[in-house]
Amino acid sequence: AQTVTQSQPEMSVQEAETVTLSCTYDTSESNYYLFWYKQPPSRQMILVIRQEAYKQQNATENRFSVNFQKAAKSFSLKISDSQLGDTAMYFCAPGGFNTDKLIFGTGTRLQVFP
Amino acid sequence: DTGVSQDPRHKITKRGQNVTFRCDPISEHNRLYWYRQTLGQGPEFLTYFQNEAQLEKSRLLSDRFSAERPKGSFSTLEIQRTEQGDSAMYLCASSLTGGEAQHFGDGTRLSIL
Repeated sequence: AQTVTQSQPEMSVQEAETVTLSCTYDTSESNYYLFWYKQPPSRQMILVIRQEAYKQQNATENRFSVNFQKAAKSFSLKISDSQLGDTAMYFCAPGGFNTDKLIFGTGTRLQVFP
Repeated sequence: DTGVSQDPRHKITKRGQNVTFRCDPISEHNRLYWYRQTLGQGPEFLTYFQNEAQLEKSRLLSDRFSAERPKGSFSTLEIQRTEQGDSAMYLCASSLTGGEAQHFGDGTRLSIL
């Protein structure tokens, strides 16, 4: 069974600084997708970034970028120029392992301080 | 694009009662997913549909749970004979096709008295 590990339960960063959230997963599949979602307090899950496993190029989306290491099964999220609105729970979620469901990690709670 | 809509937002019920939740996906999205999220945890997959066909069910989905998506549009999730352990946030998501980003609704929070 596929598993996802987010080893940092909580992190904090000062506004305008850079922070990296880690994620590792376990799978024997070769073709799949990976997502990072954010869930602000009492608000809905929002897509942050998507990566296709067959692509070697790391995905970027404005201030958000990933470091995807397929052999190491690592998928970290870097947030540059952190903003107060980035305060949220962040979930790593691989999917597409012969199915379309997402498998979520336990999340990392990120607090951005002024 | 009006987003994924879920109804109700909150449901409080007594143990043993039946409850039904509704999800309206983004209109052109063929895939519809149900997840359950308990406090402090990531969402867990329950089931998903491709149009009206239910393609996969989690082992978490006991025989008290049933989901439908008639005509491939909205979906309902019914829980019969609710138990304390059913208390959770039930999330619905939709996507255009497999592998594309799943867009989530606000969820239905179920509380069992």
